[in-house]
Amino acid sequence: DAGVIQSPRHEVTEMGQEVTLRCKPISGHNSLFWYRQTMMRGLELLIYFNNNVPIDDSGMPEDRFSAKMPNASFSTLKIQPSEPRDSAVYFCASSLFGGLGNEQFFGPGTRLTVL
Amino acid sequence: KNEVEQSPQNLTAQEGEFITINCSYSVGISALHWLQQHPGGGIVSLFMLSSGKKKHGRLIATINIQEKHSSLHITASHPRDSAVYICADLTGNQFYFGTGTSLTVIP
Repeated sequence: DAGVIQSPRHEVTEMGQEVTLRCKPISGHNSLFWYRQTMMRGLELLIYFNNNVPIDDSGMPEDRFSAKMPNASFSTLKIQPSEPRDSAVYFCASSLFGGLGNEQFFGPGTRLTVL
Repeated sequence: KNEVEQSPQNLTAQEGEFITINCSYSVGISALHWLQQHPGGGIVSLFMLSSGKKKHGRLIATINIQEKHSSLHITASHPRDSAVYICADLTGNQFYFGTGTSLTVIP
């Protein structure tokens, strides 16, 4: 299996622009997670899905952030409008079984820079 | 608020040494997650445990629920173990992450 795939790997954009990050989980995995990592705050869980349904989005920082999972093989994390403080590495992860208490497989991350 | 603290923050060891990284948390947990982040940024899930001990190769993770403490041990350390090790407390529907321990193993 190719593992969790994220695109793009790097994104540079200007403040105010819309940013869309994409994730393809491992085939057959039932849960998908979006994380953000910054120097200041470390790793943070933003949102996770079980069977394509959002379970907990309490980690989503603001209404400017939204995530969707239209099917079992694709998820997006959108920021609109983007701000410089959104600059971070965004990781997507998936797990075979539902919930947070199971082994997760991480994608390579998307490094976002908002100027 | 759940405080998750790791120690030490930075650790340098000689190849072959036995290494211990500690993680303490303040609130009761569902499970404790250990992650490894490589110098290139990639993250690997090492262990998820809620009691006792787990072992995988040269890595051993233990947890003491009463003391709210977990340890990650590396036996016969190797330069390829150089990475940042992060613990995360799973409570309810959230992870509370430690700030990480940066390990450098010198040949």
